[in-house]
Amino acid sequence: DIQMTQSPASLSASVGETVTITCRASENIYSYLAWYQQKQGKSPQLLVYNAKTLAEGVPSRFSGSGSGTQFSLKINSLQPEDFGSYYCQHHYGTPFTFGSGTKLEIK
Amino acid sequence: EVQLVESGGGLVQPKGSLKLSCAASGFTFNTYAMHWVCQAPGKGLEWVARIRSKSNNYATYYADSVKDRFTISRDDSQSMLYLQMNNLKTEDTAMYYCVREGHYYGTFAYWGQGTLVTVSA
Repeated sequence: DIQMTQSPASLSASVGETVTITCRASENIYSYLAWYQQKQGKSPQLLVYNAKTLAEGVPSRFSGSGSGTQFSLKINSLQPEDFGSYYCQHHYGTPFTFGSGTKLEIK
Repeated sequence: EVQLVESGGGLVQPKGSLKLSCAASGFTFNTYAMHWVCQAPGKGLEWVARIRSKSNNYATYYADSVKDRFTISRDDSQSMLYLQMNNLKTEDTAMYYCVREGHYYGTFAYWGQGTLVTVSA
């Protein structure tokens, strides 16, 4: 199975800052990488798929990049509603696996 | 508007069984692959199972951790998704989400609110 390693595990930032979360796959997954946001007590929401394609309705301050085994999610000018947990997930084939998550907190 | 509403969770003893249901609406159910994804309390996300559409012979796929214990199925006439869970273990305790696949393979585009399964003696 493909292992997804996500970092950092937690991150503290202020409104208006720019943050980057990284995700590494244990083997080449080309561009088959998705990112999700989950707020406390809520269901996850798809943000990015195919490494860099924004899902419908996702603000342009979110951007994804990378290919092969190294990926990142960048959030420009953090907004209050951006705080929560973020997960990467490969969609290269079953079993689909997720990273362990990054908790983004308000500084 | 896409809606996915899960039900059937609850408290069950180890080695017991439970059947989760998911009522789908707001999209053409029979054309989409569907998934179950779980999340143990305070932990990360784990994919559980996938079922394809009738045109793909309802092919099913499972995580190794649930293979031979869980069965995913669907009733397209009722727009329902199911997860039959047998021989439950304490480590199966989690919130179980019904998920509709996106337009791109393996992406989890729409999620239900989840139903909690607790396996405990």
